[in-house]
Amino acid sequence: QVQLQESGPGLVKPSQTLSLTCTVSGGSISSGPYDWSWIRQPAEKRPEWIGRIYTSGRTNYNPSLKSRVTILLDTSKNQFSLQLSSVTAADTAIYYCAREMIRFGQYDYMDVWGKGTTVTVSS
Amino acid sequence: QSVLTQPPSASGTPGQRITISCSGSSSDIGGNTVNWYQQFPGTAPKLLIYRNNQRPSGVPDRFSGSKSGTSASLVISGLQSEDEAVYYCAPWEDSLNGPLFGGGTSLTVL
Repeated sequence: QVQLQESGPGLVKPSQTLSLTCTVSGGSISSGPYDWSWIRQPAEKRPEWIGRIYTSGRTNYNPSLKSRVTILLDTSKNQFSLQLSSVTAADTAIYYCAREMIRFGQYDYMDVWGKGTTVTVSS
Repeated sequence: QSVLTQPPSASGTPGQRITISCSGSSSDIGGNTVNWYQQFPGTAPKLLIYRNNQRPSGVPDRFSGSKSGTSASLVISGLQSEDEAVYYCAPWEDSLNGPLFGGGTSLTVL
């Protein structure tokens, strides 16, 4: 049974870079047909998809965050990571990592989620 | 980017049948499959329905989904107290190049 676990600082200062890691256990991050995503959810709001990384290393980002987001893959550690630069209070949220099922080369659904980690942006 | 509309709340009594709607556009529901997620307080969303009407292993068959045009629906038959949660529709959105979540419907079992 594949499990995902987010880790990283719970507090980030404004204008700094938020960095989180998702560790995949119970399976190889390189195996298909999957890719790997980050989603965030501000308190009392809907989830927002941030971006994904394919096992090839190719990425897709939410256009509204694209200029500030980087997602990287580390197959040796079975991890993928999120970097979000120039953060503000609006980036305060629970951040989740998730596995995306791919079907016919396209996104199908997110079937495994991490438990989430709370990140607060404050000085 | 489009907007997905769900009723903010819904309620029912145990045993009742309840429908949660999700209204979108041609760039999301109209042209793509819809997934539904169930979220309890303090926990991550959980996949409930995928590809409009498919249930993952372990999801009771009293949960069902459908899609017509630019709208989708989640039906819960035989409502139970443990169904109290927030439900999100989440189709693929073309300009986002990823899943777009509806506003969520908070279900209360009276």
